[in-house]
Amino acid sequence: RKEVEQDPGPFNVPEGATVAFNCTYSNSASQSFFWYRQDCRKEPKLLMSVYSSGNEDGRFTAQLNRASQYISLLIRDSKLSDSATYLCVVTSGTYKYIFGTGTRLKVLA
Amino acid sequence: DTGVSQNPRHKITKRGQNVTFRCDPISEHNRLYWYRQTLGQGPEFLTYFQNEAQLEKSRLLSDRFSAERPKGSFSTLEIQRTEQGDSAMYLCASSGTGTDLYFGPGTRLTVL
Repeated sequence: RKEVEQDPGPFNVPEGATVAFNCTYSNSASQSFFWYRQDCRKEPKLLMSVYSSGNEDGRFTAQLNRASQYISLLIRDSKLSDSATYLCVVTSGTYKYIFGTGTRLKVLA
Repeated sequence: DTGVSQNPRHKITKRGQNVTFRCDPISEHNRLYWYRQTLGQGPEFLTYFQNEAQLEKSRLLSDRFSAERPKGSFSTLEIQRTEQGDSAMYLCASSGTGTDLYFGPGTRLTVL
């Protein structure tokens, strides 16, 4: 079983739609959680950290469920520019970052 | 430019040759990471350094791979006797006192 699992998609959604991605992780001792965004042929960039209480950044909301060991990302009012691959990241130990395979999102005009 | 830089950006080599990649992290960052990414996959952890100490190395990394960070600044990743399966994007990332990772643009390796 992979340490971090994501549905690879692709998710094709119309502009303005709300879309949600889930990610599960296997190491119950994981301490830190993140979502990264990766555009085609570019390096990954931090989208947002995920906190136990859940957190929001504009149209993006991240949730963490430690009991079920999953993380979610909700994107509201999708824009064409949101088209990218979204990578779920979990730490193993303090500073080892484990990436999921990524979920591809395509927002359609 | 004060971001993470990697050189070369592209490398084409023949099977069996050795290759070396360089990563220059953001100057005040003490942690440096190497990842490998193939098409359709997420970045796969290879190794990481805190200052000059290599703290962890993936079991996936064979003896043909070696990484160094001699003075706690730049790092090199060497692959000896390259194989076609080594073809991938090699990403370097650095991190400072926080938890955010900052990636460089990567080195794309093609082994013929």
